[in-house]
Amino acid sequence: EVQLVESGGGLVKPGGSLRLSCATSGFIFSVYSMNWVRQAPGKGLEWVSSISRNSTFIYYADSLKGRFTISRDNAKNSMYLQMNGLRAEDTGVYYCAREVATAGHYFDSWGQGTLVTVSS
Amino acid sequence: SYELTQPPSLSVSPGQTASITCSGNKLGDKYACWYHQKPGQSPVLVIYQDTKRPSGIPERFSATNSGNTATLIISGTQSMDEGDYYCQAWDSSTVVFGGGTKLTVL
Repeated sequence: EVQLVESGGGLVKPGGSLRLSCATSGFIFSVYSMNWVRQAPGKGLEWVSSISRNSTFIYYADSLKGRFTISRDNAKNSMYLQMNGLRAEDTGVYYCAREVATAGHYFDSWGQGTLVTVSS
Repeated sequence: SYELTQPPSLSVSPGQTASITCSGNKLGDKYACWYHQKPGQSPVLVIYQDTKRPSGIPERFSATNSGNTATLIISGTQSMDEGDYYCQAWDSSTVVFGGGTKLTVL
């Protein structure tokens, strides 16, 4: 069974940092691109970042302006998101998602999400 | 940047057909997919590559994608189909989501 488990969320002050983790199991992690998607309270889904299977290709949403860094460790079947300079508008649930990168790119498995709250 | 537009809400009666649209410039030239999200839960893929259903998704879910519009069609809508639906496409190495449509079955 494919499993994606996020962790590392919590309450942080504006300007602070957090590192999210996504631990996976049940599939060959190293052959899949992975993504972070977030959802502000009561709002829609917003794509954050993607990383290719060997970390060669990394992309970010323009709105992040260089504050976030995505990475992965194929030996640990895990993906990470380092978030710096956090703002109130970064508050929300952060999901990791497995990407199927064939004709059309889509997310066939999602984690349960981890809540990030940025507040003083 | 590329944008996808969905109606904010849609209401249908049980057993009726729900059609949720997703509009974007030349969307038909890209692949569209759809997710269903119930309150407090993670999104679930219901349609990928314009028209395909993942294993476990009921046959009442179908979709089209042509021109500037992708459409998710739910035939014989049931109460369990309530929730938010999001379209998604891939453009210039970035992922784009529509704003979501809240489906109410009443």
